[in-house]
Order: sequence, then structure tokens, then C-alpha cells
Amino acid sequence: LAKTTQPISMDSYEGQEVNITCSHNNIATNDYITWYQQFPSQGPRFIIQGYKTKVTNEVASLFIPADRKSSTLSLPRVSLSDTAVYYCLVGDATGGFKTIFGAGTRLFVKA
Amino acid sequence: DAGITQSPRHKVTETGTPVTLRCHQTENHRYMYWYRQDPGHGLRLIHYSYGVKDTDKGEVSDGYSVSRSKTEDFLLTLESATSSQTSVYFCAISESRTASMMNTEAFFGQGTRLTVV
Repeated sequence: LAKTTQPISMDSYEGQEVNITCSHNNIATNDYITWYQQFPSQGPRFIIQGYKTKVTNEVASLFIPADRKSSTLSLPRVSLSDTAVYYCLVGDATGGFKTIFGAGTRLFVKA
Repeated sequence: DAGITQSPRHKVTETGTPVTLRCHQTENHRYMYWYRQDPGHGLRLIHYSYGVKDTDKGEVSDGYSVSRSKTEDFLLTLESATSSQTSVYFCAISESRTASMMNTEAFFGQGTRLTVV
């Protein structure tokens, strides 16, 4: 299972764009990159997933370079409610979602 | 939100007592998982199930056992609780991935806060 490295914490202000980069140098050919969000006292919640290039949904964008050794989660115009821990996961769900969670990135959005 | 219910949501128990946590799903997903979350460790996989009566160990399985007698229920048992098992426990579910699907995602329950005193 590919190991990921991401910043421990980040601070931002409301209305700003936040980019969280994740490093995964030993990503395998069949691995997908998935980001989860976790609020205090809640379980993690799926944000976005991609394999290569760029993926966008209603809450975030995910940028993946050609070599796939890193990825960047982009949150446009964050609000106070985006304060949470963000996890970058890399894995292949064939046979189950046995993906390793790291410590995540704690994002704190200030007014 | 995916139909996942964990019970109890909070429990305080004494060292040496058995404890069973229950995860119930209404999504008919094939895979079910138990994670624990401790400060500084993210989430760590304890056990998972890939079908009724089919289970396997995760990265931190010592001191825990699981059972899955029905698709919808996955039980986590601490045979003799220790203080090191004080943690927040999360259940998760996911569907099978087929060759025609994008990678699947996991859905998590709300967690059970267990304190062993």
C-alpha cells in the first residue's frame, strides 16, 4: 500500500483558495487517489477521487500530474465550516477498501 | 448519508471486561471495516469483512475479534478490555469494485467513543 505524506497543519482565511498537496512516490499503476474530510466527533467523509489529470466536483478540485507521484486538493473560497482534517489516501479498492490513513492535514480557517 | 449505525455511541467499561461494539448497515454493501482513531495516528484498520463469515485482520488486530453472521451486521469484540483500547472506533462499509467501475469509496459511521478505566 502506498504511503502518503501531507502537511500536518495549514491555516487560511475565509474566502481564500486552499491547496493541500500530498506526496505518494510509490503509487502503483492500479491505485486511485482519494481525499476524505473529517470534522470533530464525526467519521471521515468522501470529498473527491481521481486517477490522473484533473477532477472537479461541487466542493473541490483534484490535480494529479502525469507522474502521479503527488496530488493537490484545491478548496475554492473556504469558509469557517471547512475547518477539518483532510486525509489523502492512495490505493486500489479491488478486494476491499484496505487503505492506510495517515495523520492527515488539519486545516484551520480563520475569519 | 449511507445507512450505517454504530452502537453504542459512548461506553465506559472496566479493565478486563468484555465489550462488543455493533455496526449495522442498510446499504447491502459487501465490505465492512472496523477502524480505531487515536490522537496523532489517524485511522488504523483493526479488522475487515469481505462477506458473511469472511473476515481478515488489519494492521492493529491484536486484542480484537470480529464476527459477521449477516450482511448487515459486523461486530467488534474486545475479549478483555485494556486501557490501551480506549479510543474512538469507526465502522465503514464499501461496495465491491468491478472492472467497469471507478475505484469505490468507503462510507463511515459516526463512531463509538470507548473509555476503558
